[in-house]
Amino acid sequence: DTEVTQTPKHLVMGMTNKKSLKCEQHMGHRAMYWYKQKAKKPPELMFVYSYEKLSINESVPSRFSPECPNSSLLNLHLHALQPEDSALYLCASSQTGTKDEQYFGPGTRLTVT
Amino acid sequence: QKEVEQNSGPLSVPEGAIASLNCTYSDRGSQSFFWYRQYSGKSPELIMFIYSNGDKEDGRFTAQLNKASQYVSLLIRDSQPSDSATYLCAVNMKSNYQLIWGAGTKLIIKP
Repeated sequence: DTEVTQTPKHLVMGMTNKKSLKCEQHMGHRAMYWYKQKAKKPPELMFVYSYEKLSINESVPSRFSPECPNSSLLNLHLHALQPEDSALYLCASSQTGTKDEQYFGPGTRLTVT
Repeated sequence: QKEVEQNSGPLSVPEGAIASLNCTYSDRGSQSFFWYRQYSGKSPELIMFIYSNGDKEDGRFTAQLNKASQYVSLLIRDSQPSDSATYLCAVNMKSNYQLIWGAGTKLIIKP
């Protein structure tokens, strides 16, 4: 089963709100990723967790805060976002690291008003 | 020079023909190569991965890797209208072990 789930599917939030995106995988993968994707662009890596430790942070603004509570779950906490943060947020997982194939969840469509 | 390059397209192919998508990369030491299909508004779906030189076939899809020439291709045989999508090439770079994405090629299969 190569399934990664994400909730919510859609999220609209104001610039002063705090919200969280959730991701879950049950494939026994030990690496999990957050990506941001704008229309007609490839995914842009934000964070990588490897064995539940943050291993890559691609200079993402502090208004995005990742969390990996356990090997199956990944959260992205959002606070004081800007309209330009509106995008499709994708979670992915892979066996152990970036050399392995990554499987994506369906994404959360975020709109910041 | 971009690290991973793809022709943005659109590439228009008649139904039933072979669609050929190409990707070149800059890091000669790259080790893992992936093709993803992405429908508009949806997330990327892994369709092929290849690690060794040569061809790898899976149903109507064939991935071809030539490390000496630093390119990887995706062939889609008997193209169907449902194959119309953007195809993203991703390469794991040896330099930093990160996955670098091409800009994607939009493929249109004409009935």
